[in-house]
Amino acid sequence: QTVVTQEPSFSVSPGGTVTLTCALSSGSVSNSNYPSWYQQTPGQPPRTLIYSTDTRSSGVPDRFSGSILANKAALTITGAQADDESDYYCLVYLPGGTWVFGGGTRLTVL
Amino acid sequence: QLQMQESGPGLVKPSETLSLTCIVSGDSVSSSYYYWGWIRQPPGKGLEWIATIYYSGSTYFDPSLNSRVTISMDMANNQLSLRLTSVTAADTAVYYCARIPLAGPKPYYMDVWGRGTTVTVSS
Repeated sequence: QTVVTQEPSFSVSPGGTVTLTCALSSGSVSNSNYPSWYQQTPGQPPRTLIYSTDTRSSGVPDRFSGSILANKAALTITGAQADDESDYYCLVYLPGGTWVFGGGTRLTVL
Repeated sequence: QLQMQESGPGLVKPSETLSLTCIVSGDSVSSSYYYWGWIRQPPGKGLEWIATIYYSGSTYFDPSLNSRVTISMDMANNQLSLRLTSVTAADTAVYYCARIPLAGPKPYYMDVWGRGTTVTVSS
């Protein structure tokens, strides 16, 4: 079964830049996997940040950006703020119509 | 404004069948522009995709749950349903429904989420 791997945790200073990644056990992540990213705080449903690799969802600040880096999907936060402290999940679409979430990255801003 | 509201029994006994409903308002589950899906999150753990359905009847399932899951839609009442048989404690989770827009013929991300319903499997 395909596994999607994210860094379990990451730390960034306020105002700093951080890149979270999303790797596919079966090979490279590409645009055809439509990688998307979700932000979740405790007790809340996920919030859609990025879809189709690099498209920001409505209302998402431009400090969030998505890309493919070294065969992985990537989420970059430029100028991190305190309220960016959250769990971040990537989601990839697989041939055959199935989906897999990454295990999530807990981001600490301090 | 699209809203999605999940509901369920709250508590289910091991080996029984879990049935969940997601009422959709502000859009139609019979729309050709969207798939609809179910996702869950066990306590303290990450998100898990469960199943997806299209108005045409096409369905897709997580392979690890395939044999226990049924997903359906009731177009008359504009709602989705999920049925999970032979539940165990490992099925304890918050269950979310979500709308999934299409990119051409393919569903490509979850754009609107319900607030989730908590299900505990315990005797």
